[in-house]
Amino acid sequence: NAGVMQNPRHLVRRRGQEARLRCSPVKGHSHVYWYRQLPEEGLKFMVYLQKENIIDESGMPKERFSAEFPKEGPSILRIQQVVRGDSAAYFCASSPNQANEQFFGPGTRLTVL
Amino acid sequence: QQQVKQSPQSLIVQKGGISIINCAYENTAFDYFPWYQQFPGKGPALLIAIRPDVSEKKEGRFTISFNKSAKQFSLHIMDSQPGDSATYFCAAGGSDSGGYQKVTFGTGTKLQVIP
Repeated sequence: NAGVMQNPRHLVRRRGQEARLRCSPVKGHSHVYWYRQLPEEGLKFMVYLQKENIIDESGMPKERFSAEFPKEGPSILRIQQVVRGDSAAYFCASSPNQANEQFFGPGTRLTVL
Repeated sequence: QQQVKQSPQSLIVQKGGISIINCAYENTAFDYFPWYQQFPGKGPALLIAIRPDVSEKKEGRFTISFNKSAKQFSLHIMDSQPGDSATYFCAAGGSDSGGYQKVTFGTGTKLQVIP
């Protein structure tokens, strides 16, 4: 019974490079959420996706950030042309339906040099 | 903007003592109030949750108290142990104008239980 899996766990990028963060939800879960957590801060909602659809991206910066959850494969959070301010922990959560309980992955810690 | 305000930011409790973390919300449409526990380097894990039809829910040493009229809820950790040292997040969930469930998190409380 695998929980939410995220990879890589740690990612180092230089300014201007692209970062791709992957999230495999709990088997059977079709709802995925991405959050960002800065050091010593809370979780900030970024985007909510169902299979092949973006439901709510109100928390995602308008530029450089994109997310997808294809029919097959993991959900991807993509950050283009990373800047130092993108350094944070990015968490993915999944749920089986629109129920409230979300199961979190271990996170990807992105460091931008 | 929907907000959930959490306090204190940090808390130090003696082993065996009671840890109390408070949260307040604004949106009366919220109908689900979970608490998450996060250890350093790990993702948040659901600890306990409550719906507004009850005023209290207890699971082991963890109790949620809910005051609907005041729009406040709190987490009590009885007989606090060093292993409880973690960051605790309250959250509130409910349907937004788009009709889907959305969860808003508080800013977190870093709890340290000292022997």
